[in-house]
Amino acid sequence: DVKVTQSSRYLVKRTGEKVFLECVQDMDHENMFWYRQDPGLGLRLIYFSYDVKMKEKGDIPEGYSVSREKKERFSLILESASTNQTSMYLCASSSGNLPEVSEQYFGPGTRLTVT
Amino acid sequence: KNEVEQSPQNLTAQEGEFITINCSYSVGISALHWLQQHPGGGIVSLFMLSSGKKKHGRLIATINIQEKHSSLHITASHPRDSAVYICAAPRAYSGNTPLVFGKGTRLSVIA
Repeated sequence: DVKVTQSSRYLVKRTGEKVFLECVQDMDHENMFWYRQDPGLGLRLIYFSYDVKMKEKGDIPEGYSVSREKKERFSLILESASTNQTSMYLCASSSGNLPEVSEQYFGPGTRLTVT
Repeated sequence: KNEVEQSPQNLTAQEGEFITINCSYSVGISALHWLQQHPGGGIVSLFMLSSGKKKHGRLIATINIQEKHSSLHITASHPRDSAVYICAAPRAYSGNTPLVFGKGTRLSVIA
């Protein structure tokens, strides 16, 4: 079974803190994604990566950065957390060169609250 | 960028009812995805289809490429089917593109 793990299920941070969200997959997948999910807005893509050290901006990259130093690990960084970044963050991975026709496997999510 | 619309947003059904959730998209695609999210957050992939129909247990997914429309049907619904159902499509017709997601349909099945 593919397993995607995220470092925390729940996280509470203060405004201005630097926040690291870690995602690890154990199936040697090439593609990894970070989404945020908000009520009424659905899943929105923050950043994605199709290879080690490669990253591409998604639809809402402002205020975020990512790192992919190893194939299995994709980290999301909030440089200076703000209250409008309070959300559920979901990581996903998939295999192959055509991610649009590959099944995505999701982590359990991290519910981040910024106070 | 592809626009993905789902309907209805919310759906309440009695146990045993036949359920249909609809998804439309604006740009021709190579495959459409249906996913399920249970309370607690976990998302699992149900179907990926590019034509015709796929069936898994009581779940059936259909797609009409010409009309840019897909449906997810649940036969003999059960309270354990209560979840959010999400459809997703590639954001562009060209390859190597991430998915764009609908806002989801929240289904509640009452015993």
